[in-house]
Amino acid sequence: GQNIDQPTEMTATEGAIVQINCTYQTSGFNGLFWYQQHAGEAPTFLSYNVLDGLEEKGRFSSFLSRSKGYSYLLLKELQMKDSASYLCAVRGRGSYIPTFGRGTSLIVHP
Amino acid sequence: DAEITQSPRHKITETGRQVTLACHQTWNHNNMFWYRQDLGHGLRLIHYSYGVHDTNKGEVSDGYSVSRSNTEDLPLTLESAASSQTSVYFCASSGTGDGYTFGSGTRLTVV
Repeated sequence: GQNIDQPTEMTATEGAIVQINCTYQTSGFNGLFWYQQHAGEAPTFLSYNVLDGLEEKGRFSSFLSRSKGYSYLLLKELQMKDSASYLCAVRGRGSYIPTFGRGTSLIVHP
Repeated sequence: DAEITQSPRHKITETGRQVTLACHQTWNHNNMFWYRQDLGHGLRLIHYSYGVHDTNKGEVSDGYSVSRSNTEDLPLTLESAASSQTSVYFCASSGTGDGYTFGSGTRLTVV
């Protein structure tokens, strides 16, 4: 099985940078996802990492270290609309289906 | 545009009743999934399907069933609704790519 840990809640200031960490233990590894979920809405896909390193997409970047069982989502130039829950999900080897962490609630204040 | 839709958006039902939640996607995705989301638990997999006539149990399948008679639909049935099944239910689909597309969710209350 898989065990995924994320901080429950984080706060940050508009315009700042925030890093949301995700650590995992899994039997084999076949990819890590990040999703964003605004309150009362569906999760939306942000990024997918299967190889080590940093993937950048505009203001959002995702990093993976498979040897450390560690990923982070980096959000730059924070905006109020970035207030949401951020879900880390890991897919084990031989499985198509990811297991989701409990999510990190990010609050961006002025 | 392709989409994935769930209905109803909100449902209140009584304990013991059978309830069916609909999920319809026009992405032509083979893979479809049902999750429930509760405070403190995150998204938990109920059932999933890799294609027509294929169904599989997920982590929390007790009390739920699904059927897949075509590519577009994966209805979720609660055989006899219980208060513990009060939750928000999300349907998702994926193709040969890697990301899920989620429906807007159904908020189910069992009284």
